[in-house]
Amino acid sequence: GAVVSQHPSWVICKSGTSVKIECRSLDFQATTMFWYRQFPKQSLMLMATSNEGSKATYEQGVEKDKFLINHASLTLSTLTVTSAHPEDSSFYICSVLTSVGTGSSYEQYFGPGTRLTVT
Amino acid sequence: GQNIDQPTEMTATEGAIVQINCTYQTSGFNGLFWYQQHAGEAPTFLSYNVLDGLEEKGRFSSFLSRSKGYSYLLLKELQMKDSASYLCAPLDSNYQLIWGAGTKLIIKP
Repeated sequence: GAVVSQHPSWVICKSGTSVKIECRSLDFQATTMFWYRQFPKQSLMLMATSNEGSKATYEQGVEKDKFLINHASLTLSTLTVTSAHPEDSSFYICSVLTSVGTGSSYEQYFGPGTRLTVT
Repeated sequence: GQNIDQPTEMTATEGAIVQINCTYQTSGFNGLFWYQQHAGEAPTFLSYNVLDGLEEKGRFSSFLSRSKGYSYLLLKELQMKDSASYLCAPLDSNYQLIWGAGTKLIIKP
């Protein structure tokens, strides 16, 4: 079964409005979640690292005031795209990195993604 | 700098075997992931290697050589549903995944 869920799976909004995307870790507590963006036929681009109880770490070139990340609990991180514009239309994916066993092995699971279309 | 090199596209025949190679350069290394991504969908975890050698998991196997900065994904008994992009992603010293563009695998009957 899925270990990471996202909601909504797709959303269409008008330019200038804000959209919130939720990412939930279903099977384990996640102190760290990652938010990615993927444009058609391009590789995933890391936007930010979401840390539970503290501020997110944004990648260079990603506007933190435009892409608001809140990681209020160990199972939920939210990404809010504020004042969305057509160029923000993309596939947004969250993921969770978890250690396995004694901590020397890792697994990373992705949510199903949210397709955002800004008109 | 950090870099991933994979072939852009490969074609194989249903029932055959295909090997997708990946070379990488990263700042530190904490293992390497392989993912499958179908068009319009999020990536799906396939394997994780942190030690040198071959890890077998059903029809899929992954190999790692840390000294060479090299990994490959081996797919056996190819099925049409294996048509997808395959992403090699090493984990750097900050535990961040480094992504390349992936390899688009086309399976023909």
